[in-house]
Amino acid sequence: SQQGEEDPQALSIQEGENATMNCSYKTSINNLQWYRQNSGRGLVHLILIRSNEREKHSGRLRVTLDTSKKSSSLLITASRAADTASYFCATEDNKLIFGAGTRLAVHP
Amino acid sequence: NAGVMQNPRHLVRRRGQEARLRCSPMKGHSHVYWYRQLPEEGLKFMVYLQKENIIDESGMPKERFSAEFPKEGPSILRIQQVVRGDSAAYFCASSRPGTGATWVTSPLHFGNGTRLTVT
Repeated sequence: SQQGEEDPQALSIQEGENATMNCSYKTSINNLQWYRQNSGRGLVHLILIRSNEREKHSGRLRVTLDTSKKSSSLLITASRAADTASYFCATEDNKLIFGAGTRLAVHP
Repeated sequence: NAGVMQNPRHLVRRRGQEARLRCSPMKGHSHVYWYRQLPEEGLKFMVYLQKENIIDESGMPKERFSAEFPKEGPSILRIQQVVRGDSAAYFCASSRPGTGATWVTSPLHFGNGTRLTVT
């Protein structure tokens, strides 16, 4: 089945820097979604990008999608300590299939 | 109550006991999904339900696990005769139905999970 795989597994940066997380998947998709999970909490939807879109913005988030390479990236600009969380991409197969996630740590 | 509600938040069971996890979806949502998460790992799909119907249970273990979403009341994930390997966080999510000919999945809204510990 389709599955997103995030890269890197963990990322540690300083406040103010940009954070880039990548996601690769295996088969064709209709859309790809990104979620965030704070420690001990449920996932929160960040952004959905459709297969006919190449880039999408939401505040400090920028998501790109390259269907020819079966990959997506999530860029967080001007990171803050509050961005510390795990980030997951998800593809659909009548339900959402999540990757293992990228654990982002933003240090003050 | 605007969000997905899961209870209990923490559940401790001895080996061999039964665990019942409850999930009330967001108002207006008719689709419920259950996921399991081990520490430092992603979410593994278990089951997808609509009211009174199991749509996809491909992620459910064949034995001891069952799920329901009755016409009235919350969705229930039931684990019989728990073993230590069942210890994990179990998350419920809900959504509206997808739309359009290409099946665009609506974003999922997650509860904060039930952390099951089997001693």
